[in-house]
Amino acid sequence: DAKTTQPNSMESNEEEPVHLPCNHSTISGTDYIHWYRQLPSQGPEYVIHGLTSNVNNRMASLAIAEDRKSSTLILHRATLRDAAVYYCILRDPVGLTFGKGTHLIIQP
Amino acid sequence: IAGITQAPTSQILAAGRRMTLRCTQDMRHNAMYWYRQDLGLGLRLIHYSNTAGTTGKGEVPDGYSVSRANTDDFPLTLASAVPSQTSVYFCASSLTTMTEAFFGQGTRLTVV
Repeated sequence: DAKTTQPNSMESNEEEPVHLPCNHSTISGTDYIHWYRQLPSQGPEYVIHGLTSNVNNRMASLAIAEDRKSSTLILHRATLRDAAVYYCILRDPVGLTFGKGTHLIIQP
Repeated sequence: IAGITQAPTSQILAAGRRMTLRCTQDMRHNAMYWYRQDLGLGLRLIHYSNTAGTTGKGEVPDGYSVSRANTDDFPLTLASAVPSQTSVYFCASSLTTMTEAFFGQGTRLTVV
């Protein structure tokens, strides 16, 4: 199974941009890159996904490297409510395989 | 808009008892999933269903069974609960097997 690698934790200041990296060197040509986040005591929440091109939505942006072996989730202006565990996942037909994710800490 | 609903929210269950966790979605999604989340182990897939009438085993299926009689409902049954099944259980659904998934709020189950 294709896997992803993320830093265990990252810290950022409120109202600053946050760049969350993810490596997926074994990605195949048809694997979509999905990002989810999990706030404390809640279920995972979909953030964004992409295949080859960079993607933007109301929550975040996703920058995908040209060789697709890495991607970066960008929160343009972090708030305290963005403190969560962020998961980078390669979508497959069976389900979502969650790793440990990146614990994002936001300092006021 | 309800989305995906799980019941109960929490439950304390005696070991050996049978328990069904309920999951209902009103989005007409074809695919549904059950995960468990344990501290230090993250989210692990128990069972999945790509469409009504079909089910499959995930990473940790032992001790659990599922059924998918219709599109909306995907119950998870513990036939004879054991303490190691103490966990937080999340149900999820997606329109297809490759689109984004939506998760319920979880069921916290304690087996004593």
